[in-house]
Amino acid sequence: AQSVAQPEDQVNVAEGNPLTVKCTYSVSGNPYLFWYVQYPNRGLQFLLKYITGDNLVKGSYGFEAEFNKSQTSFHLKKPSALVSDSALYFCAVRDPGFQKLVFGTGTRLLVSP
Amino acid sequence: NAGVTQTPKFQVLKTGQSMTLQCAQDMNHEYMSWYRQDPGMGLRLIHYSVGAGITDQGEVPNGYNVSRSTTEDFPLRLLSAAPSQTSVYFCASSAGDRGFEETQYFGPGTRLLVL
Repeated sequence: AQSVAQPEDQVNVAEGNPLTVKCTYSVSGNPYLFWYVQYPNRGLQFLLKYITGDNLVKGSYGFEAEFNKSQTSFHLKKPSALVSDSALYFCAVRDPGFQKLVFGTGTRLLVSP
Repeated sequence: NAGVTQTPKFQVLKTGQSMTLQCAQDMNHEYMSWYRQDPGMGLRLIHYSVGAGITDQGEVPNGYNVSRSTTEDFPLRLLSAAPSQTSVYFCASSAGDRGFEETQYFGPGTRLLVL
């Protein structure tokens, strides 16, 4: 069965500092991996995805993520955090053998001025 | 494009009542799905559709029905509401023929409270 884990409920970082939001996954085949962001009282918005190819994926708003097959991880990163990045971040995985997308429990990112 | 729209934004029901959550998209997407979001549990797939006339169950389908008579609309029906169905419901759609490999576009959500 496919699953995804986000080990941190909340990540706190000061504005201007680099940020990392962690995600690990478990699938039976080659994974399709996604990051989505949710701002208060809004639906989820797509940030980036990894399907195949380069392990470093660049996405919206300056975010990037690195696919690491040996560690089964897909951590979200940004070199310099903004207060406006404060939101709830979801990692998701699709196992090619299954017709669904499985979401993690979410990590709240709080960027302080 | 309006994208994915959902109505109502908020609803209060009494146990045993029925209601329909509406979802529409104007992007001509084949794939549509319904999720519920609960604290500490992320999003869980309720039902999904790969095209008009075709629906299938997700992780948590019990207590919910769906139908897909047109490409644009994908309503979610609660047959007899229970307090356990108190949640925030999101509808999503995606383009192409690869379904969940594609970027999902989410609606703004419906917040449901069952008393």
